[in-house]
Amino acid sequence: QMQLQESGPGLVKPLQTLALTCTVSGGSISSDSYWSWIRQPAGKGLEWIGRIHDSGSTNYNPSLRSRVTISVDTSKNQFYLKLSSLTAADTAIYYCARGLGGARFDPWGQGTLVTVSS
Amino acid sequence: QSALTQPASVSGSPGQSITISCTGTRSDVGGYNYVSWYQQHPGKAPKLLIYDVTNRPSGVSFRFSGSKSGNTASLTISGLQADDEADYYCASYTSSSSRVFGGGTKLTVL
Repeated sequence: QMQLQESGPGLVKPLQTLALTCTVSGGSISSDSYWSWIRQPAGKGLEWIGRIHDSGSTNYNPSLRSRVTISVDTSKNQFYLKLSSLTAADTAIYYCARGLGGARFDPWGQGTLVTVSS
Repeated sequence: QSALTQPASVSGSPGQSITISCTGTRSDVGGYNYVSWYQQHPGKAPKLLIYDVTNRPSGVSFRFSGSKSGNTASLTISGLQADDEADYYCASYTSSSSRVFGGGTKLTVL
């Protein structure tokens, strides 16, 4: 059964760049799937950040496009999120998930809390 | 892109049925049959309940069903159970090849 696990720093300073890793186990990242990042501020709703195909093609949320880079390393079965110019508004739980087309995300990682604070 | 519109809260008694709406535009919900629904219990990751408007993944109870009319999608939960108490989110593909979620609906089982 495929599982995803996020990892990265829990605390990042304002204006810095966040770097998160999602490790895929129980299956290959090179499975003609899309791999997404989604975030959720405390007590608020979900926001799709963007996605990458194992071929390297990407799509980003227009509201975050200027600050987001998603990449993949198929040899490590991992994909990555970089989000630059952080502000307190970027404080959230960040999830990685497999995309199966449309708006279908399954499975999800357990999420990792990122706090932006000096 | 604007979040899809969901009611902030709904409630129902055990055994009853409830429906949660998700309203978008022709550029998302109304333009494509790519609406999904997710259930999220406190402190947990979202779980896929419905995809492509009406399809249930393997393992999801038949009590959960989806539909769409125009720019509004709906999730119906029949035979409410205590464990159904959770937050529910809709999501849609958009015309800009993006994805957008609803603001979420808190379901209370009375």
